[in-house]
Amino acid sequence: AQTVTQSQPEMSVQEAETVTLSCTYDTSESDYYLFWYKQPPSRQMILVIRQEAYKQQNATENRFSVNFQKAAKSFSLKISDSQLGDAAMYFCAYRRVRGKIIFGKGTRLHILP
Amino acid sequence: DAGVIQSPRHEVTEMGQEVTLRCKPISGHDYLFWYRQTMMRGLELLIYFNNNVPIDDSGMPEDRFSAKMPNASFSTLKIQPSEPRDSAVYFCASSIGALGTEAFFGQGTRLTVV
Repeated sequence: AQTVTQSQPEMSVQEAETVTLSCTYDTSESDYYLFWYKQPPSRQMILVIRQEAYKQQNATENRFSVNFQKAAKSFSLKISDSQLGDAAMYFCAYRRVRGKIIFGKGTRLHILP
Repeated sequence: DAGVIQSPRHEVTEMGQEVTLRCKPISGHDYLFWYRQTMMRGLELLIYFNNNVPIDDSGMPEDRFSAKMPNASFSTLKIQPSEPRDSAVYFCASSIGALGTEAFFGQGTRLTVV
């Protein structure tokens, strides 16, 4: 069975600094998709970034980028120039093609002014 | 499109009562997921549907939980009878499966069983 592990329950970063959130997953599939979601206090789940496993290039979305290491089954999220609005729970998620989407337990990110 | 619509946003009920949560997925999406979020267990997948057919209900905690999808635009999650440990936020999400797209989430229903 596929699993997603986020080993950092909480992290803090100074405003304007860079922070990296870790995620590892376990799968026997070769084709799948990975996601990072943000959940602010409003509890709305917001997609931050997605990565297709067949793509070697790491995905980027403005200040958000990933380090996708397929062989190591690692999918970390880097947030550059952290802003107060980035404070939230961040969830890593895995989906095989035409399958269910499973989530890690999340990392709560605090931004220190 | 208005996105995934869940109702109610909040529900407070007494132990032993029946609770029904409702979800309208995004039009054209062929996958629908029900998740439960708690502090202790995070986001758990309860059940998911493909083209209105339940595919995997292994996450449904007990027989007290049931889910239906009578058509492509409506799904329900029912708890009967409810218990205090069912208190959580329940999310519905939908997606297009073939493209491996992300799940689009509703606003969630906060359920409190007293």
